Amino acid sequence: QVQLVQSGSELKKPGASVKVSCKASGYTFTYFAMTWVRQAPGQGLEWMGWINTNTGKPTYAQGFTGRFVFSLDSSVGTAFLQISSLKPEDTAVYYCAREISMVAVDSWGQGTLVTVSS
Amino acid sequence: QSALTQPPSASGSPGQSVTISCTGTSSDVGFYNFVSWYQQHPGKAPKLIIYEVTKRPSGVPDRFSGSKSGNTASLTVSGLQAEDEADYYCTSYAGSKILGVFGGGTKLTVL
Repeated sequence: QVQLVQSGSELKKPGASVKVSCKASGYTFTYFAMTWVRQAPGQGLEWMGWINTNTGKPTYAQGFTGRFVFSLDSSVGTAFLQISSLKPEDTAVYYCAREISMVAVDSWGQGTLVTVSS
Repeated sequence: QSALTQPPSASGSPGQSVTISCTGTSSDVGFYNFVSWYQQHPGKAPKLIIYEVTKRPSGVPDRFSGSKSGNTASLTVSGLQAEDEADYYCTSYAGSKILGVFGGGTKLTVL
């Protein structure tokens, strides 16, 4: 079965960086784009963007350019989200999800809570 | 402020039907047939229940249905069950620069 397993929770200080991993299994990794979604505590969902798992080309949504980087290690079926210069407002659960159509993701990771606090 | 407008809450009794609206603009909901709905239970990852306005992924009960008219999309849950109590989010594709936009979510309560 399709499974996306994300790395564990992170506690970081402002200004630091974090890298979240998302390991896919149960399907051919390069057949589906990988999307990233953010959910701040008690808030709604935000599309961060996606990465083409064939070419490695990332596409970032408005508001997620500059400090956010999507990458892949296709040899092990894993996608990564790196956030640099962390701010307290980056505190959120970050989800990876497999895209089947525009704004349609059918399999989700369990989410990674990133907490930014001094 | 979310790009798509949903009612903050909705409710219904078991067995009844409830419809949740999602209003956007002619640049998103009204232009593209890429509207999805997600169900999220507390502390869990969202689950896709409707995509491309009306399609249901395999395993999603046919009690869930989607539609669209103009700039407003709708999710109807028929035959309400206790496990349908959750937050529901709509989303629409909005073009290559904005990508996707979400609604603020609707908390569905089964009375």
